[in-house]
Amino acid sequence: AQSVTQPDIHITVSEGASLELRCNYSYGATPYLFWYVQSPGQGLQLLLKYFSGDTLVQGIKGFEAEFKRSQSSFNLRKPSVHWSDAAEYFCAVGASYNTDKLIFGTGTRLQVFP
Amino acid sequence: DTEVTQTPKHLVMGMTNKKSLKCEQHMGHRAMYWYKQKAKKPPELMFVYSYEKLSINESVPSRFSPECPNSSLLNLHLHALQPEDSALYLCASSQLAGELFFGEGSRLTVL
Repeated sequence: AQSVTQPDIHITVSEGASLELRCNYSYGATPYLFWYVQSPGQGLQLLLKYFSGDTLVQGIKGFEAEFKRSQSSFNLRKPSVHWSDAAEYFCAVGASYNTDKLIFGTGTRLQVFP
Repeated sequence: DTEVTQTPKHLVMGMTNKKSLKCEQHMGHRAMYWYKQKAKKPPELMFVYSYEKLSINESVPSRFSPECPNSSLLNLHLHALQPEDSALYLCASSQLAGELFFGEGSRLTVL
């Protein structure tokens, strides 16, 4: 069965510092992988996705993620965090045969200090 | 128009009430979704409509009844809810695999 693990419940960084949010997945075949962000009181917004091809994918708001099959990971990175990046970040995995059913990780709450 | 609009934003209802949540998208997306999100938890999939047909029902209790009147509208009818059903209900739509566009949600409180 598919599953997603986000090991970090809460991360705090200073504005301007680099960021890496971890995501590990479990899936037998090549998964479809996604990162979503949710600001307080809002719905979720898609940051980026990986289906196949280049393992380093670029997304919106300056985020990127790298798919590492050997480590079953899809970590999200940003070189310089802005205060507006404070939010909840969810990694998600979808089966290649039915991505209408995404499995979300438990989320990582990012706090940014000035 | 890249928005998914949900109404109402807030709803308070008693356990004997009947109410509905509404969702609308004008992006021509083929699929629409209902998710339930409790505080500090990830969204949980409830229902998926694909081309106006119910394609996924995640064993949701019958007190929640989805309806897709047309390709732009999605309703969630609520009846005889329990206090534990209080949550943020998120609607989403998509055309491409996994690329969901979410509304801001309807925050439901059941007294």
